[in-house]
Amino acid sequence: GAVVSQHPSWVICKSGTSVKIECRSLDFQATTMFWYRQFPKQSLMLMATSNEGSKATYEQGVEKDKFLINHASLTLSTLTVTSAHPEDSSFYICSAKTNRGFGYEQYFGPGTRLTVT
Amino acid sequence: QKEVEQDPGPLSVPEGAIVSLNCTYSNSAFQYFMWYRQYSRKGPELLMYTYSSGNKEDGRFTAQVDKSSKYISLFIRDSQPSDSATYLCAMSGDGKSTFGDGTTLTVKP
Repeated sequence: GAVVSQHPSWVICKSGTSVKIECRSLDFQATTMFWYRQFPKQSLMLMATSNEGSKATYEQGVEKDKFLINHASLTLSTLTVTSAHPEDSSFYICSAKTNRGFGYEQYFGPGTRLTVT
Repeated sequence: QKEVEQDPGPLSVPEGAIVSLNCTYSNSAFQYFMWYRQYSRKGPELLMYTYSSGNKEDGRFTAQVDKSSKYISLFIRDSQPSDSATYLCAMSGDGKSTFGDGTTLTVKP
């Protein structure tokens, strides 16, 4: 199947610092990647859609200057949480869309748990 | 009103039971339907996807779509404790998926 990795799997950082999360499609090329955040016992909240070589499209209410997304290649997208604060603590999950199957299914990474102290 | 409504659960069943997980939707543009399974503290895993109305079977799992009623279901036969997870339905019509809030299932040995 299509495999998506994320790194790191968990990170603890101090308030005010920046954290970068990487999302890679390991065995396929992903023209589109998505970034979600998820709070405990809640569903996925789409933050932004990232297309290779172009600027990310952010969902309403998501601060683009705070959550920087770069889709540098067909296999790599990064999310940088800038000037992190405790309220940014969450589970961040990326997914990638592939042309396999019928092209609408998404394959998810294992997630990154961010704790800001 | 949300575009996708998923039976909230939680659902608790004995091992071996048949489980029915359900979602309704309001957007007629949705043409593609998916089910994901998410274990605690993990990313969602794609279980099944389908395009047309009708049933699609994969082992113990059957996905059912009724476009006329805007209703989809996932059936799990002979449920196992390892099926305990949160199940998310998802739908797409333009390449971006809309997810249900998930139903948490517990299968008791």
